[in-house]
Amino acid sequence: ETGVTQTPRHLVMGMTNKKSLKCEQHLGHNAMYWYKQSAKKPLELMFVYNFKEQTENNSVPSRFSPECPNSSHLFLHLHTLQPEDSALYLCASSRGQGLNEQYFGPGTRLTVT
Amino acid sequence: QKEVEQNSGPLSVPEGAIASLNCTYSDRGSQSFFWYRQYSGKSPELIMFIYSNGDKEDGRFTAQLNKASQYVSLLIRDSQPSDSATYLCAVDSQGGSEKLVFGKGTKLTVNP
Repeated sequence: ETGVTQTPRHLVMGMTNKKSLKCEQHLGHNAMYWYKQSAKKPLELMFVYNFKEQTENNSVPSRFSPECPNSSHLFLHLHTLQPEDSALYLCASSRGQGLNEQYFGPGTRLTVT
Repeated sequence: QKEVEQNSGPLSVPEGAIASLNCTYSDRGSQSFFWYRQYSGKSPELIMFIYSNGDKEDGRFTAQLNKASQYVSLLIRDSQPSDSATYLCAVDSQGGSEKLVFGKGTKLTVNP
């Protein structure tokens, strides 16, 4: 595997379900990010992790819970989502420490029914 | 609220022409500037980054930065139909931080 991978690529879940999105980067980077991309809106930064420590929570509702066990893996745990949470969820990574060219994974297309 | 503004387009150019994409940003402290290309249904792909005033060229792509005017542009020479995509401008929000602010993107169509 190369670059940034995400699983699953597509997810349909009900509002009462609990699911997790997984991201893995194979670039030796130290910073990882979750973004949300909805139609007609710019990319929204959700969370930033730098050397496994969360450095940014962009006022994200608690129904989204990130986890970063190490610099290569990032999870987004989802529970009791709303239909308006349907979007493309993108993971990205960068070297960090001011070297912030970010490389994106393919994304998870999430539909909440 | 730090902002990045782009003309949403669509911008339509004939094959072989120069496509010019523009972006303005509000934070004078920004130091890093990025252009991403996003094909429909795909994730953003980094195509250019620029840190210093002036021009940076990579193949058919040229990024231009003018910090005094808070303006960054992307020129695509000899445009090809495969360049048809949405182009996202991104700027660091806290002067060298890992946090980027993205514009809404400009949709480019290159007509054969």
